[in-house]
This record gives sequence, C-alpha cells and structure tokens, in this order.
Amino acid sequence: KNEVEQSPQNLTAQEGEFITINCSYSVGISALHWLQQHPGGGIVSLFMLSSGKKKHGRLIATINIQEKHSSLHITASHPRDSAVYICAVISGGSNYKLTFGKGTLLTVNP
Amino acid sequence: NAGVTQTPKFRVLKTGQSMTLLCAQDMNHEYMYWYRQDPGMGLRLIHYSVGEGTTAKGEVPDGYNVSRLKKQNFLLGLESAAPSQTSVYFCASSYPRGSWSNQPQHFGDGTRLSIL
Repeated sequence: KNEVEQSPQNLTAQEGEFITINCSYSVGISALHWLQQHPGGGIVSLFMLSSGKKKHGRLIATINIQEKHSSLHITASHPRDSAVYICAVISGGSNYKLTFGKGTLLTVNP
Repeated sequence: NAGVTQTPKFRVLKTGQSMTLLCAQDMNHEYMYWYRQDPGMGLRLIHYSVGEGTTAKGEVPDGYNVSRLKKQNFLLGLESAAPSQTSVYFCASSYPRGSWSNQPQHFGDGTRLSIL
C-alpha cells in the first residue's frame, strides 16, 4: 500500500467550479507539499505546509495532522488549472526525503 | 534567474550505451536530488546529495551513479542503459529543512529518456 494516497485519480470539471483534491498519508510527517505538473512540463511547488491552512490566489491547501489528511482546493477553476496535482510528504524522521502520491489529473473544460 | 536546469531535455539511447544527465542550480542550495517518473507511479528518488562531495542512495538506485563535485551541479550517470530505465528524470534542489529560508524543493523541467 502506497504511503501517500490521492483521490480522485482523475477529475473533470467545468470552468468556474470549486475543486477539491484529497491526500491521505500513513506515516508521521514533518511537512507536506502540493505540486503542480502541466502536461509535458516541469514540476512546480504550490505549497509546503505542516499545519493549518495556506492560501495563494485561488488555491487553498489545508492539513489535519491528527487525521493524516490534506486537501487542495481550487476556487473558480479555469482551463489553465488543468494539470496533474501531486501530494508529497516529508517523513518525520527525515530532513529531505519526499514520498510522492501518484497524482490527480485535473481537466477543466471551458 | 534560471533556477534548476537539466540537460539534455530529450535523449534516445540504445541498450548498453552510457550517458550522463546534468543538473545545475543557481540558488546556492545544499541538497540536490534525482527522481524518475513512470506512468502510474509517483516520483521515486534515485540518489540524493546533502552537500558538495557527498552522495547517497535513494529508493531506486540500481543501474545509476551520481557525482556532486561542485555544489551547483549534480550528475546522474547510466553506465549501461537498459530499457527499464526509459523514464522521465527530474532533478530538484532545496535548502535543508529548518534553515533560514525553509524553501520547498525546486524542480527542473525534466529529461525524457528512451532506451531502445
């Protein structure tokens, strides 16, 4: 069983919809990353968080350490948000090692 | 501000050939990483380095070697390429956790490698 599970694997939405992508993990962590990867493109870090909530523009990331769960929300989704969103965790005992989820493919239709 | 630069971007090799992938970062990061990304799987750590002159094995190190002779460069070598090494390779860099900047990992654009 993968240490980091994301749901859903695929998500299709209409422009303007509110999007939620979930990430559950089974190990103790010191931090969690949300990353974005456009088709054929590089990987960009969106958020790194270890507690609470962070917001950047239309993106919001939350984490519940007790429940070992994080969510990434996109408000007023747009076709340019279409990408793979990847959750990754840094294990509690590690200063560097990221364990990645398999990603969620988001498609936003106009 | 280049960030993390990977060369080459694409390469096709024959089984048994060797090659080196270069990763360069201009952010003075201590930590550097090499990952591979395969369909249906999450990114997996091949090797990493916590500073100039040091390297260590990650999750899937077999068939690869690395070197970090200069702080800004991290090289990934395939001595005898195999079809199973067909993948997209990503390099990343970061400061150590707890440092003053507390930055996340910064990724390059990837190298798409095909082994025939």
